[in-house]
Order: sequence, then C-alpha cells, then structure tokens
Amino acid sequence: GESVGLHLPTLSVQEGDNSIINCAYSNSASDYFIWYKQESGKGPQFIIDIRSNMDKRQGQRVTVLLNKTVKHLSLQIAATQPGDSAVYFCAERTYTGNQFYFGTGTSLTVIP
Amino acid sequence: KAGVTQTPRYLIKTRGQQVTLSCSPISGHRSVSWYQQTPGQGLQFLFEYFSETQRNKGNFPGRFSGRQFSNSRSEMNVSTLELGDSALYLCASSPGTGGETQYFGPGTRLLVL
Repeated sequence: GESVGLHLPTLSVQEGDNSIINCAYSNSASDYFIWYKQESGKGPQFIIDIRSNMDKRQGQRVTVLLNKTVKHLSLQIAATQPGDSAVYFCAERTYTGNQFYFGTGTSLTVIP
Repeated sequence: KAGVTQTPRYLIKTRGQQVTLSCSPISGHRSVSWYQQTPGQGLQFLFEYFSETQRNKGNFPGRFSGRQFSNSRSEMNVSTLELGDSALYLCASSPGTGGETQYFGPGTRLLVL
C-alpha cells in the first residue's frame, strides 16, 4: 500500500518565526501532492498543492517544496501566526487513480 | 459556491446498530470520497463515488458501504457498529475528471457506545 509519513508529530514555533513541516512519501509514481490544514472541530482545509513536474510553488505566506529524488515534501509557513496553529496533513495521489493517501499529520503550535 | 455539507454533525449509537451519514458535494462536483479519521491514524480512505458508481475502495470491511445519487449527493452506511468505529467521518468532493483538489466537509463525529 501507499505510505505517506511525517518526520515530526508536533512542532512549536514562536509567533513571527518561519515554520517548516516535512513529509516523506514512498510511491515514486505519485504525481500530485496537497497540504491540508485541520483546525479543531473542522474538516481539512486546502492550503496549497504541487504537481510532480514542479519542485516549488508559492502561495500567500506558504511555500511547498518537492524533492522527487528523495521523495520528500515540505511546507514552509512564513511569519507564523497564532491562527496557523492546527494539524497539517500532506496527501499524495498517484497518476492512475483519484485516491489520495494522507500522512498522520503534524500538530503545529504557535507560541505568542 | 456553498461548500461541502455533511449531516448529521454528531451522532451517538450503540454497538450493533447501524448508521447512515450524508454528504452533499460542492455544486458541479461529481466525485465524493469518504474518509475515516481517528486519533493517531490520520485519514483512511473508505471509498470514492463518481457518477453514482463506486470508483475506488479502501481496505475496510463490508460493513462499510456507500452510494451516490443522481444529484451527486452521497451516503455512507455502517452496519453492526463496533466500538472501534467511533471516529470523525469526512467526505470530500472534487469535479471528478482527474487531477483536481478534494475539498472537505466539516465531518460527522460518530461515537459508538
């Protein structure tokens, strides 16, 4: 089966600092990756995505980096704010299907 | 557009009972996927429906089933509930034609006593 894992289950950062959340995936055939943010009591919220033909994509305060050589994905959040406190999931999908595989999540806590 | 909606939001059942959860996708989306989320397990894929047909299925027992209606609304059913079925059940919708992001609903929290 697929394996999408996270290097760290928890991460604490000071408000204003940058955050980096990492994710490893095992299927080299995966072609599409998404980062989701899940706040307590809510469903996962789309943050940013990246396709396998790219190695970097930027959004508002967020950047996703994809290293296909080592099958590693990261989410960088600039100037982390208290509202960024949540669990972050990476998800991958292979070209052959519409099924996503999710990591277990990293809990980000922003310290004011 | 309105987002993905799920009903009910909370549910308490006892072992052996069955339950039906409902999901209304974003207007125009034809694919609905269901996930089970438990503490420490992340999201586990249950199944995906597209145009009223089950297109993908995860590794869950046959007690978990679903269906999709012509208006793309979907239901999932769990029969003979077990304590371990207590979880947050999430549905996600996408256009379904491939290569698109899935958008999640708020989930239904099921507690089995």
